Amino acid sequence: GQNIDQPTEMTATEGAIVQINCTYQTSGFNGLFWYQQHAGEAPTFLSYNVLDGLEEKGRFSSFLSRSKGYSYLLLKELQMKDSASYLCAVRGSNYQLIWGAGTKLIIKP
Amino acid sequence: IAGITQAPTSQILAAGRRMTLRCTQDMRHNAMYWYRQDLGLGLRLIHYSNTAGTTGKGEVPDGYSVSRANTDDFPLTLASAVPSQTSVYFCASSVRASGANVLTFGAGSRLTVL
Repeated sequence: GQNIDQPTEMTATEGAIVQINCTYQTSGFNGLFWYQQHAGEAPTFLSYNVLDGLEEKGRFSSFLSRSKGYSYLLLKELQMKDSASYLCAVRGSNYQLIWGAGTKLIIKP
Repeated sequence: IAGITQAPTSQILAAGRRMTLRCTQDMRHNAMYWYRQDLGLGLRLIHYSNTAGTTGKGEVPDGYSVSRANTDDFPLTLASAVPSQTSVYFCASSVRASGANVLTFGAGSRLTVL
């Protein structure tokens, strides 16, 4: 079957760095996405990886290893507004997205 | 304002009633999707449409139907609502259903079936 695993919840301190991991087992791979979702709001796009390596975008970076079925989202210089759920999604062989359950990130002052 | 509009924002519905959730986009995106989001589960695809005039079944299509008469509108209908359909429903769209095409989401419709 197809499966995407992420930790349910993580806690970090304002100003620190946090890494949110995502492992996947899917039939086919056509890219991996990270979305941010604040409570009660819609998901919004953060990053896309299709080749192995690190993609950096400001305070956020995303890494992909296709051979290991593994990705992580790295958030630097954490701010209170980063408190949200982070969703990992893989585009499978039928080009539809398969979503993880999301990681709720709690930022403490 | 460019984006996706969903209606209603929230609704309480008696079991057995028919309900249509509306979704309209003004970005001229070809692909549109309906997802449901339940606590502890990832977004689950209900139905999708890769282009106007075509629709397809997603992961959890039972009890739902869609139509795509034109590019902009993609309504989701619950023919006879049941309590297990209580959820938050998100409509989304993308230029195409492939590659790096990013999904843009509507604000969601919270549906409670009693």
